Amino acid sequence: DTEVTQTPKHLVMGMTNKKSLKCEQHMGHRAMYWYKQKAKKPPELMFVYSYEKLSINESVPSRFSPECPNSSLLNLHLHALQPEDSALYLCASSQGRTGSTYEQYFGPGTRLTVT
Amino acid sequence: AQSVTQLGSHVSVSEGALVLLRCNYSSSVPPYLFWYVQYPNQGLQLLLKYTTGATLVKGINGFEAEFKKSETSFHLTKPSAHMSDAAEYFCAVIKSSSASKIIFGSGTRLSIRP
Repeated sequence: DTEVTQTPKHLVMGMTNKKSLKCEQHMGHRAMYWYKQKAKKPPELMFVYSYEKLSINESVPSRFSPECPNSSLLNLHLHALQPEDSALYLCASSQGRTGSTYEQYFGPGTRLTVT
Repeated sequence: AQSVTQLGSHVSVSEGALVLLRCNYSSSVPPYLFWYVQYPNQGLQLLLKYTTGATLVKGINGFEAEFKKSETSFHLTKPSAHMSDAAEYFCAVIKSSSASKIIFGSGTRLSIRP
């Protein structure tokens, strides 16, 4: 099973709202990722968690707050977003172990619209 | 530093024709290379990967790619295009200093003409 699930599929939120995106994998992977993808562009890395610890933060604004409650779950908490934050948010996972082949498996994404 | 260049932001072929999507990489060390496909409003799906060993790699949906070190290329091919192949295709390389970071190419949109 190489499935990564994401909820919700679509989200519309106002600039004063607080919402969360959720991601789950049951492949035993120890690295999990959040990406942002704008239309007709490749995904842009936001955060990487390795063994439930934040290992990479690509200078993402603090209105995006990641959380990794356990090895299977990854959340992205959203607060006070701007319209330019509207995008497809993708979660991915990889084995994350030394000697692995590093390919990442992606979820279907959450289409976020900020009004 | 690693980088990936995909030649052609849009490729159009007839159904049944050969598909060739070009990818060149720069890397100071032997790279890990990937092709991903993204259908509209979906996530990325791994088509195939090259890590070590055989340079001709076969993937899903009849696609294959050949790692050519001398040309620093990893072009994606499929002998006969199908309408369902219409999608965005991304070539990617692992950044050597951090196996957690994938560097994506800019993407190639493949259209299939009936």
